Amino acid sequence: NAGVTQTPKFQVLKTGQSMTLQCAQDMNHEYMSWYRQDPGMGLRLIHYSVGAGITDQGEVPNGYNVSRSTTEDFPLRLLSAAPSQTSVYFCASSYTNRAYNEQFFGPGTRLTVL
Amino acid sequence: AQSVSQHNHHVILSEAASLELGCNYSYGGTVNLFWYVQYPGQHLQLLLKYFSGDPLVKGIKGFEAEFIKSKFSFNLRKPSVQWSDTAEYFCAVIGTDSWGKLQFGAGTQVVVTP
Repeated sequence: NAGVTQTPKFQVLKTGQSMTLQCAQDMNHEYMSWYRQDPGMGLRLIHYSVGAGITDQGEVPNGYNVSRSTTEDFPLRLLSAAPSQTSVYFCASSYTNRAYNEQFFGPGTRLTVL
Repeated sequence: AQSVSQHNHHVILSEAASLELGCNYSYGGTVNLFWYVQYPGQHLQLLLKYFSGDPLVKGIKGFEAEFIKSKFSFNLRKPSVQWSDTAEYFCAVIGTDSWGKLQFGAGTQVVVTP
């Protein structure tokens, strides 16, 4: 199994540009989520999904959209990038959203918005 | 709302020294607790977890953590660190009724010098 994969690894955008961060898992996990990691703030939940067709907002959803058309994929879209969105983005998945399920993290995407 | 506090942001110690990282949380119900590690340039990996039972849990690479319910704490320990333990360590908490919403601490950067 590849686990959780993310593309791209690095991205530089200009303010106002849009892009999609890709996340895929091959473990047949129901639950997928997106976090952003900023220095001194740990990881903060952006959006999550408990299954195909179901998404919800996390702690810091503004400026981001998600959709979940398949179990495997959970892309994160930035519609109009802002410098405040410069961060490292991690996708995670777990078998279900129950608290006892370990979440597995992808390798991250480092995004810089100029 | 749940929150997680990690006591130290940066720790520098020599090889063979003992390590203890503090983690306190606030939450009004039952929680599951985790310590994750992020080695330089890598994604988060699970070190250990506590769900119930023996409050002293052992994880990978010689790490252990003790859950003290009365103090809302889940401190991470390792008796003798190695240079390869240089990493960032994150404490994370999830309420058993929080449906997948992990709350992370800000992280502690640990540097082990030879």
